[in-house]
Amino acid sequence: DAGVTQSPTHLIKTRGQHVTLRCSPISGHKSVSWYQQVLGQGPQFIFQYYEKEERGRGNFPDRFSARQFPNYSSELNVNALLLGDSALYLCASRQDTSYGYTFGSGTRLTVV
Amino acid sequence: AQSVTQLDSHVSVSEGTPVLLRCNYSSSYSPSLFWYVQHPNKGLQLLLKYTSAATLVKGINGFEAEFKKSETSFHLTKPSAHMSDAAEYFCVVSERNYGQNFVFGPGTRLSVLP
Repeated sequence: DAGVTQSPTHLIKTRGQHVTLRCSPISGHKSVSWYQQVLGQGPQFIFQYYEKEERGRGNFPDRFSARQFPNYSSELNVNALLLGDSALYLCASRQDTSYGYTFGSGTRLTVV
Repeated sequence: AQSVTQLDSHVSVSEGTPVLLRCNYSSSYSPSLFWYVQHPNKGLQLLLKYTSAATLVKGINGFEAEFKKSETSFHLTKPSAHMSDAAEYFCVVSERNYGQNFVFGPGTRLSVLP
């Protein structure tokens, strides 16, 4: 079975640009969450979606947005990129809240 | 509010010796607790989880952790370290009141010396 897949794996953007990151959950998983992992730190929660509805939002500015599609895949969008947005962005999916998350390998975003 | 403290940013052990990675948590209600491992340039892999069943939890690759409510601790142990265990380890807490979203600790880097 395919795990959580994220695309692209690496990305370089310029300050002020916009970026879209994509995630496909494990088949049958309806919950998708996004995390930001800055180098040397633990991941920080950004968003959670379940059945296409936002169920949680972390302490991130409005430049960050996300959505979940009918097939449960998800996009994370970041506008007006800052140097500090450089990080590994992790997507995770789970069947329901009684299970742990399965994480993808992440998208490494570098803002220059 | 939830929070996680990992008491050691770096732990170094010799191959074949025991591993102890310490984790303390803060939670208002009955939490779920997890340990994840991250190898260099890889995603996060679930080692084990505690969700209010047995307090001693066995995970993959010989790891186990014990939930101690009185001490608000969830330390990770392994009897004998292997070179392949060298990685970053994250303790995680989640609560129903916070949508079961994960709060990660800062991580402990485990080095295994030959």
